[in-house]
Amino acid sequence: DVKVTQSSRYLVKRTGEKVFLECVQDMDHENMFWYRQDPGLGLRLIYFSYDVKMKEKGDIPEGYSVSREKKERFSLILESASTNQTSMYLCASSYPDRYGYTFGSGTRLTVV
Amino acid sequence: AQTVTQSQPEMSVQEAETVTLSCTYDTSESNYYLFWYKQPPSRQMILVIRQEAYKQQNATENRFSVNFQKAAKSFSLKISDSQLGDTAMYFCAFMNPGGSEKLVFGKGMKLTVNP
Repeated sequence: DVKVTQSSRYLVKRTGEKVFLECVQDMDHENMFWYRQDPGLGLRLIYFSYDVKMKEKGDIPEGYSVSREKKERFSLILESASTNQTSMYLCASSYPDRYGYTFGSGTRLTVV
Repeated sequence: AQTVTQSQPEMSVQEAETVTLSCTYDTSESNYYLFWYKQPPSRQMILVIRQEAYKQQNATENRFSVNFQKAAKSFSLKISDSQLGDTAMYFCAFMNPGGSEKLVFGKGMKLTVNP
């Protein structure tokens, strides 16, 4: 089975800290995605990548950046964490085959 | 831009009953893909079913089936013989294949199956 692993299930960080959320997939997927999930808002796309070193902004990229130096790893970076970035973060990956994504188990980030 | 609407935020059903979750979407495209994902309390998003817009036949996966009405831009999910393990958040999602395979999600619906 394809596995998408997010390094932390829960994180608590302080306002102003630089935060790294890591995601690793083991199925050689070209596409990788970072979504943010908030109650009543569903999932909103932050950034995605369709190849190594390639990235594109999603719908809510402000306050975030990403890095994809290797095909299997896609990192989400909060440059200076703020309380409004408290949320569930979901990583996903896929082939470019229109069959949908495989998701990680999510990281629940709290910024205090 | 495409939008996906799930108008029912929450539903409950008795075990073994049938329940239908509604989803509508807005697009000017003629070819696209639609998905239902399930997110149980464990938080792992799981693909339930997928529909290709150019296929008229409704997709089915065991107890899960869809009613795809392209003209009405409606994509409802029917769960037959509901089980306690079906308790989860359900998300409807849209993919436009012309771009980068981004999924646009609805806001989700919480389904509770009661014993």
